[in-house]
Amino acid sequence: EDQVTQSPEALRLQEGESSSLNCSYTVSGLRGLFWYRQDPGKGPEFLFTLYSAGEEKEKERLKATLTKKESFLHITAPKPEDSATYLCAVQDLRTGTASKLTFGTGTRLQVTL
Amino acid sequence: DTGVSQDPRHKITKRGQNVTFRCDPISEHNRLYWYRQTLGQGPEFLTYFQNEAQLEKSRLLSDRFSAERPKGSFSTLEIQRTEQGDSAMYLCASSLGTAQETQYFGPGTRLLVL
Repeated sequence: EDQVTQSPEALRLQEGESSSLNCSYTVSGLRGLFWYRQDPGKGPEFLFTLYSAGEEKEKERLKATLTKKESFLHITAPKPEDSATYLCAVQDLRTGTASKLTFGTGTRLQVTL
Repeated sequence: DTGVSQDPRHKITKRGQNVTFRCDPISEHNRLYWYRQTLGQGPEFLTYFQNEAQLEKSRLLSDRFSAERPKGSFSTLEIQRTEQGDSAMYLCASSLGTAQETQYFGPGTRLLVL
């Protein structure tokens, strides 16, 4: 069974204080690893997809990286508007071309002034 | 591109009542997914459609739950005889239907069963 574990559960940063969120996963074969951002009371908003170890993607202050066992979401010089829950999810090759996402429980990030 | 829409956004019902939620996917997307999310947890897969065909259902989807996508466009999720444990956010997502695809989520329907 696919498993996704995210750490830490919660993270409080001061504005400008860079940090990383971790996503460890277990799948029989990785089709893709996804990062989403979720604001309270809203649906997840897509950030990145990573497909193979060594791949990196960037968007504004966020950078996602992937190894064979985990992914990191690096946040550089965060701002208060980056406060949200960040969700990691995997798709398994076993389930064919159309595949459900298996999510972790998320990291709640709070960025203060 | 108006994104995935869901209706209603909030629903309060009494235990034992039936409820129905609607999801309108992004117009050119032929795959549609339903997930459920409880407080402090990540979304959990319930079921998915390729066009009008329901191709996979989670064991989380009890006999009280039924989903349809009659013309391959919008979808409905019905919960019969609601229980307090059904209280959650119900999320719909859609995707293009390619081998490497991204699922885009709607705003969700928050259900509270009293």
